[in-house]
Amino acid sequence: DIQMTQSPSTLSASVGDRVTITCRASQSINQWLAWFQQKPGQAPKLLIYKASNLQNGVPSRFSGSGSGTELTLTISSLQPDDFATYFCQQYSAFPWTFGQGTKVEIK
Amino acid sequence: QVQLQESGPGLVKPSGTLSLTCTVSGYSVISDYWWSWVRQSPGKGLEWIGEVFHSGATYYNPPLQGRVTISVDTSKNLFSLILTSVNAADTALYFCARATRQRLLDFWGRGTPVTVSS
Repeated sequence: DIQMTQSPSTLSASVGDRVTITCRASQSINQWLAWFQQKPGQAPKLLIYKASNLQNGVPSRFSGSGSGTELTLTISSLQPDDFATYFCQQYSAFPWTFGQGTKVEIK
Repeated sequence: QVQLQESGPGLVKPSGTLSLTCTVSGYSVISDYWWSWVRQSPGKGLEWIGEVFHSGATYYNPPLQGRVTISVDTSKNLFSLILTSVNAADTALYFCARATRQRLLDFWGRGTPVTVSS
């Protein structure tokens, strides 16, 4: 199985900060990576697919980059609605696997 | 817009069988998508369980193979999960989701908590 190591596990930041979250894969996944936002009691929301493609309706402050074994999610200017948990999913190879999640907290 | 809603018992006894249903609205399960189950627990994080196509074709995560069955009911526009011989490690928040042909999970339900306990 492809192991996805996500870092950091927790991130404290303020409104307006630039935030970067990284997923490292145990082998190359090319660009077959998605990023999700999860809030308690809500369905996980797809933000980015195929490493850098913004899902319809997602604010442009979210962006994704990278390929191979290191991929990142960046929030250019953190907004109050962005305090949540973020996780990645690789869909390069069966079985599909996930990062452990990054909780973005208010500093 | 597609919506998915999980339902089923929140408490299952050890060695018993977990049964969940995912009702799909706003989209037909008879489409070019796979219908998936994912679970999330504090200890193991997110784990993909398996998926079903409207034809009945399935794929399962190997560690769960032998205990899991996922099926689809096209007449009711829903799909189901059965997990047998459960134990405490199966305690988790269970999500259903839609997956593209490339297996991108693009829409999810809110999840339903299941506890395995006597």
